[in-house]
Amino acid sequence: DAGVIQSPRHEVTEMGQEVTLRCKPISGHDYLFWYRQTMMRGLELLIYFNNNVPIDDSGMPEDRFSAKMPNASFSTLKIQPSEPRDSAVYFCASSLSPGETQYFGPGTRLLVL
Amino acid sequence: SQKIEQNSEALNIQEGKTATLTCNYTNYSPAYLQWYRQDPGRGPVFLLLIRENEKEKRKERLKVTFDTTLKQSLFHITASQPADSATYLCALDGAGTGANNLFFGTGTRLTVIP
Repeated sequence: DAGVIQSPRHEVTEMGQEVTLRCKPISGHDYLFWYRQTMMRGLELLIYFNNNVPIDDSGMPEDRFSAKMPNASFSTLKIQPSEPRDSAVYFCASSLSPGETQYFGPGTRLLVL
Repeated sequence: SQKIEQNSEALNIQEGKTATLTCNYTNYSPAYLQWYRQDPGRGPVFLLLIRENEKEKRKERLKVTFDTTLKQSLFHITASQPADSATYLCALDGAGTGANNLFFGTGTRLTVIP
């Protein structure tokens, strides 16, 4: 298996633009997680899905953030409009169950100017 | 409030020595605890999982202990090598919190000096 795949790996955009991050989980994993990592706050859970259904989105910072999982092999995290404080590395992870071993993608490094 | 603290942001040790990293938590009652390794520019990679009824677990040069009374886990790397240099994260499951996911510490950056 190729592992969790994320795209793009790097994204540089200007404030106010829409940003879409993409994730393909490991086949057969029922759980998909979106995290944000910064030096100040470490790894923060934004939202997670079970069988394509959002279960806990309490970590989504505000309405500018939205996430979807239209099918078992694809998820998106969208920021609209983006702000400089959104600059971070965004990770997608998948697992067979929510509290056990998670497999992370390589991350998307986002810079909002 | 709930908190996961890892002993220090950075730890430098000499090659061949044992590195010991600490993970302390408050207001959690995890059923298990995990350790991950993260290299620069990459996502965390799972290393070890230890359950609440296990005192110690080993994998090659790695050893993890879990003391639910002290609310602490220790992560040891014996005979450390420069290739062990990375950031190490501990993670707890959300048992008892009402949440069904993992909670991560902020990590300790380990540098093994040749």
